[in-house]
Amino acid sequence: DTEVTQTPKHLVMGMTNKKSLKCEQHMGHRAMYWYKQKAKKPPELMFVYSYEKLSINESVPSRFSPECPNSSLLNLHLHALQPEDSALYLCASSQVVFPGSKNNEQFFGPGTRLTVL
Amino acid sequence: AQKITQTQPGMFVQEKEAVTLDCTYDTSDPSYGLFWYKQPSSGEMIFLIYQGSYDQQNATEGRYSLNFQKARKSANLVISASQLGDSAMYFCAMRDLFPTGADGLTFGKGTHLIIQP
Repeated sequence: DTEVTQTPKHLVMGMTNKKSLKCEQHMGHRAMYWYKQKAKKPPELMFVYSYEKLSINESVPSRFSPECPNSSLLNLHLHALQPEDSALYLCASSQVVFPGSKNNEQFFGPGTRLTVL
Repeated sequence: AQKITQTQPGMFVQEKEAVTLDCTYDTSDPSYGLFWYKQPSSGEMIFLIYQGSYDQQNATEGRYSLNFQKARKSANLVISASQLGDSAMYFCAMRDLFPTGADGLTFGKGTHLIIQP
């Protein structure tokens, strides 16, 4: 199984809502990632989890709260978002690699298209 | 931080022709990895090909090959015998490796490739 799944596929929320994005993989990967992609732009790294611990937080506002309950699941909790947060949110997973190791392909999910009204 | 430059915002190519998508990069690390991803309009990021900095040969995967010129810091993607289904955004990316063993990808701005019949 080389698939990363994300739910929901589309999400529309108001600025006062609380919602969560979910991501799941069963490839035994111990690194999982959230990327944000605005229209006509490249993906930008938001968070990285390594062995279920938050490794990287790229100065993301606190209205985005990641959670990694176990090695297969990754959530992104959303609260009090702004219209400019509307974007495609991509989840990815990979093996954990260390300097000198070879390939580390990141497998991406189909994304959640988020619209904040 | 790594830097990736893709200088072709858009390209139109006739079906069955070969196409080269440019990518240059900047890094001070002697060990690095370069990736190419395809993103159709559906949004999913599809891994195409990987080149490691110490790989002796240019990477090939089916119709995809990498023209890797290390001294010039370029890693151009070559698609042979283009097909209508190749129409998509193409991103060049470099791996940022962190001491924790996790990594994130830094993407170029992408090239929008359109294959014409």
